[in-house]
Amino acid sequence: DTAVSQTPKYLVTQMGNDKSIKCEQNLGHDTMYWYKQDSKKFLKIMFSYNNKELIINETVPNRFSPKSPDKAHLNLHINSLELGDSAVYFCASSQDPGLTWNTEAFFGQGTRLTVV
Amino acid sequence: GESVGLHLPTLSVQEGDNSIINCAYSNSASDYFIWYKQESGKGPQFIIDIRSNMDKRQGQRVTVLLNKTVKHLSLQIAATQPGDSAVYFCAERGGTALIFGKGTTLSVSS
Repeated sequence: DTAVSQTPKYLVTQMGNDKSIKCEQNLGHDTMYWYKQDSKKFLKIMFSYNNKELIINETVPNRFSPKSPDKAHLNLHINSLELGDSAVYFCASSQDPGLTWNTEAFFGQGTRLTVV
Repeated sequence: GESVGLHLPTLSVQEGDNSIINCAYSNSASDYFIWYKQESGKGPQFIIDIRSNMDKRQGQRVTVLLNKTVKHLSLQIAATQPGDSAVYFCAERGGTALIFGKGTTLSVSS
């Protein structure tokens, strides 16, 4: 069973479109995250949700909107896609939002978004 | 800017050698650090973690060293194998999320 699963794995779309990436975790964790990895492999936190409530919202364009229907799901919706949004997006989850000892974050396989 | 970074973007070793991957951090208040491994096409995977009240922690074939005086972390991999080829990230706890460094690509040749 995959612990953190994202769909789709690949997404190619045109500029200006709206798209969503779905994430589900079956670990019973309370906290979920979205990270963006650029072409140089740098991983940057975008959002963090704890029990369906937003606790981190980094400097991300408001075209990006996370939605958490329940604590096992954190979807990422992106409006008016731009070329610069091309990246790999990772969903992650952890048991403890404080990331204390032995509460590692588990990552999904990533969604490679290409905007053309 | 990011508070965690790595000294070298790439490291090439021969199979069987020991590998050392370094990381410098800038936040002296950081109290928890994790090393992640990311294989091609996959998400980051936990390797080992260490708290700031420790200098060293060992796992299976891996050792993490923490030097708080110079704000430096290292990951040592013993008897490196081709399956260790990946990008390695150090990360520190920043509030309620992990702050990642830029990553070192480890290439192991047999």
